[in-house]
Amino acid sequence: RKEVEQDPGPFNVPEGATVAFNCTYSNSASQSFFWYRQDCRKEPKLLMSVYSSGNEDGRFTAQLNRASQYISLLIRDSKLSDSATYLCVVNMRAGGTSYGKLTFGQGTILTVHP
Amino acid sequence: EAGVTQFPSHSVIEKGQTVTLRCDPISGHDNLYWYRRVMGKEIKFLLHFVKESKQDESGMPNNRFLAERTGGTYSTLKVQPAELEDSGVYFCASSQVGQGPEAFFGQGTRLTVV
Repeated sequence: RKEVEQDPGPFNVPEGATVAFNCTYSNSASQSFFWYRQDCRKEPKLLMSVYSSGNEDGRFTAQLNRASQYISLLIRDSKLSDSATYLCVVNMRAGGTSYGKLTFGQGTILTVHP
Repeated sequence: EAGVTQFPSHSVIEKGQTVTLRCDPISGHDNLYWYRRVMGKEIKFLLHFVKESKQDESGMPNNRFLAERTGGTYSTLKVQPAELEDSGVYFCASSQVGQGPEAFFGQGTRLTVV
């Protein structure tokens, strides 16, 4: 079983649509959670951290359910520029001196079309 | 401010040859990570340096891979001898202790072993 599982998609949505991605992780000792975004042939970049209380950044809302070991990302009012691969990422540490290694899901491909 | 830089961006070598990848982290970042993405798979952790010390090398596939970070600045990852299954994109990332969870990635080295 993979440590972090995502639906690979692809998701093809029109501009303005709302789209949701889900992710599950297997290690209940995981401490910190993130969504990264990766454009085609580019490096991954941090989109947002994910907290149990839920957090929002503009059109993006992330949610964590520790009991179910489930992470979600909601994108509202999709833009063409949102087209990318969205990576669910988990870390065993909560911070302190170092966050240590990241464990990645395979990524969910999103294409937003006109 | 310069980001994480990796050299070369692409490398095509024959099976049995040696290749050395280089990563220059963001200046002042103590944490340096190597990751690899094999085609069709998720990004996987290889190892983590804190300054010049190897903090975690649990992801190194075998003893054909050697990573160094002399002086705690740039790092090299040498593959000797290369095998076909070593093909993939090798990413380097860096972060700084106490500055939050974000790991900044380089654009990667695309290695093809033929």
